[in-house]
Amino acid sequence: QVQLHQWGAGLLKPSETLSLTCAVSGGSFSDYHWSWIRQPPGKGLEWIGEIDHSGGTNYNPSLKTRVTISVDTSKNQFSLKLSSVTAADTAVYYCARGLHGTYYYSGMDVWGQGTTVTVSS
Amino acid sequence: EIVLTQSPGTLSLSPGERATLSCRASQSVSSNYLAWYQQKSGQAPRLLIYGASSRATGIPDRFSGSGSGTDFTLTISRLEPEDFAVYYCQQFGSSPPALTFGGGTKVEIK
Repeated sequence: QVQLHQWGAGLLKPSETLSLTCAVSGGSFSDYHWSWIRQPPGKGLEWIGEIDHSGGTNYNPSLKTRVTISVDTSKNQFSLKLSSVTAADTAVYYCARGLHGTYYYSGMDVWGQGTTVTVSS
Repeated sequence: EIVLTQSPGTLSLSPGERATLSCRASQSVSSNYLAWYQQKSGQAPRLLIYGASSRATGIPDRFSGSGSGTDFTLTISRLEPEDFAVYYCQQFGSSPPALTFGGGTKVEIK
């Protein structure tokens, strides 16, 4: 079965760059879209962006200027970089698998375990 | 940008009762693009429903989704103890591709 395992630095100082990676195992990498989602403490979910196996990306307009999502198909991994972090970026970050195309969206059916990222001076 | 508003914010019910959760969009959404998730404390979300009414793999049939246009509903026919959680709706916008979540509804034990 498909599993997503994610990792990255959990404590950052303001103005630093958040960096997380998500590895996909047990299933196809090329057939899906791969997203990052975050959840501030006690709050709801916010989609950050997604990438497909060819490197095509879509980003949340509110974060677009600070976000880069990249893919390494040789390792079945994708990564998130969020620059110039502030305390407002403190959240649990999730990676997830999704699928969409013309006239359909199949939801995000596999999720990583989550990584807690804290931004503090 | 489409905004999803979920109501109520909190639903207090007893096991065995029926739960009805609402998700209202600020403009019309294709039902093909509407999903629901369940999140328990300390866990990643779990996909329940996609395409407004299709259950994801392994989801019990007490969960059902309905709706169209701007109004969508998640119904849990009879609450089991494990169903007390937070529920989120989500829509996929295709031009350009983007995803948005509603603010969530917490279903708590009365």
